[in-house]
Amino acid sequence: DAGVIQSPRHEVTEMGQEVTLRCKPISGHNSLFWYRQTMMRGLELLIYFNNNVPIDDSGMPEDRFSAKMPNASFSTLKIQPSEPRDSAVYFCASSPKPGLAGNEQFFGPGTRLTVL
Amino acid sequence: AQKVTQAQTEISVVEKEDVTLDCVYETRDTTYYLFWYKQPPSGELVFLIRRNSFDEQNEISGRYSWNFQKSTSSFNFTITASQVVDSAVYFCALSEVLNTDKLIFGTGTRLQVFP
Repeated sequence: DAGVIQSPRHEVTEMGQEVTLRCKPISGHNSLFWYRQTMMRGLELLIYFNNNVPIDDSGMPEDRFSAKMPNASFSTLKIQPSEPRDSAVYFCASSPKPGLAGNEQFFGPGTRLTVL
Repeated sequence: AQKVTQAQTEISVVEKEDVTLDCVYETRDTTYYLFWYKQPPSGELVFLIRRNSFDEQNEISGRYSWNFQKSTSSFNFTITASQVVDSAVYFCALSEVLNTDKLIFGTGTRLQVFP
């Protein structure tokens, strides 16, 4: 079975450019999470969706960040315009059933973003 | 407020040593879940174990064991006879029943096992 798929795996861009990260959750999973990992701040939850609906975006750093989930098998995280401080590894994770206690999250391989 | 603390930032051991990674959590819920994830150098996070708050039995899986103690709000992870392949960052996480979709992660413990 395919796990969570993220693309690209690596992205290098210049400050001010738009960046779009993509995620395909595990088929049949109904919750999707976007995380950011940096040395300074560790693993931070940015936003999550249940059944394609954004539930909690309190972790999104600022208006430059936006996330969408147009259908059950695809989500994007967009940064526009990007800044050097956005450099991090961005993880997507999915889990089976919203609201089910003890849900395990399955993580993708991450996208390493470098903003020059 | 919910919180997970992994006080050990980095641990170094020599192969075959036993090592324990500490995890202390805070929650107001009486029902919650605790998790351990492993992040090897390749970068992906790998699920290791889940425990619910009503099950305080220790768990053993091969060289891995987990000690859950509600009295001290701890969920510690021990690797017996460590191997170089155990080198990774290990994260402890908490999920509360009232907010089941979110995992609250600790800051992680980097384990280096030297040959």
